Amino acid sequence: EDQVTQSPEALRLQEGESSSLNCSYTVSGLRGLFWYRQDPGKGPEFLFTLYSAGEEKEKERLKATLTKKESFLHITAPKPEDSATYLCAVQGGGSYIPTFGRGTSLIVHP
Amino acid sequence: EAEVAQSPRYKITEKSQAVAFWCDPISGHATLYWYRQILGQGPELLVQFQDESVVDDSQLPKDRFSAERLKGVDSTLKIQPAELGDSAMYLCASSDGTVPDDAEAFFGQGTRLTVV
Repeated sequence: EDQVTQSPEALRLQEGESSSLNCSYTVSGLRGLFWYRQDPGKGPEFLFTLYSAGEEKEKERLKATLTKKESFLHITAPKPEDSATYLCAVQGGGSYIPTFGRGTSLIVHP
Repeated sequence: EAEVAQSPRYKITEKSQAVAFWCDPISGHATLYWYRQILGQGPELLVQFQDESVVDDSQLPKDRFSAERLKGVDSTLKIQPAELGDSAMYLCASSDGTVPDDAEAFFGQGTRLTVV
């Protein structure tokens, strides 16, 4: 059974204070690891897909990296508008079902 | 910009009543997903369609939930009868990947269901 654990559950940062969110996973044959951003009361918004260890992708202040056991979402010099819940999901080779973690709630204070 | 449309946005229903949600995916997207998200948790897949066919519904409580995508375009998720524990956000998503699907999924705004 695929498993995804995200940490920390909640993170408070000051504007400009860089940090990282963690997504640890257990999957049989990783097909893809996905990062989403979710604002309160809205559906998740796609950010990145990573397919293999060593892969990195960037978008504005966000950078996602992948190893064989975990993925990191690095946030550089965050702004208040980066405040949201960040969700990680994996899709393994044994199942078509994407498995989501519980998310990390990020609050960036001005 | 193309979006996944869902309606209604909010629904309050009494337990034991029937309730239905509608989803119109992005045009041309063959894969459609229905997820349930309980507050504070990640989305949980209920059913996945490829065109009009069900790819996976192993986590759909079939005694009370049903889903259809008759013409391979829009989809309806029904709950009958609703129970208090069904209160959650119901999210629809679509993607243009083929099964096995490793393309990104685009989510709708969701339907917030409250069962009283």
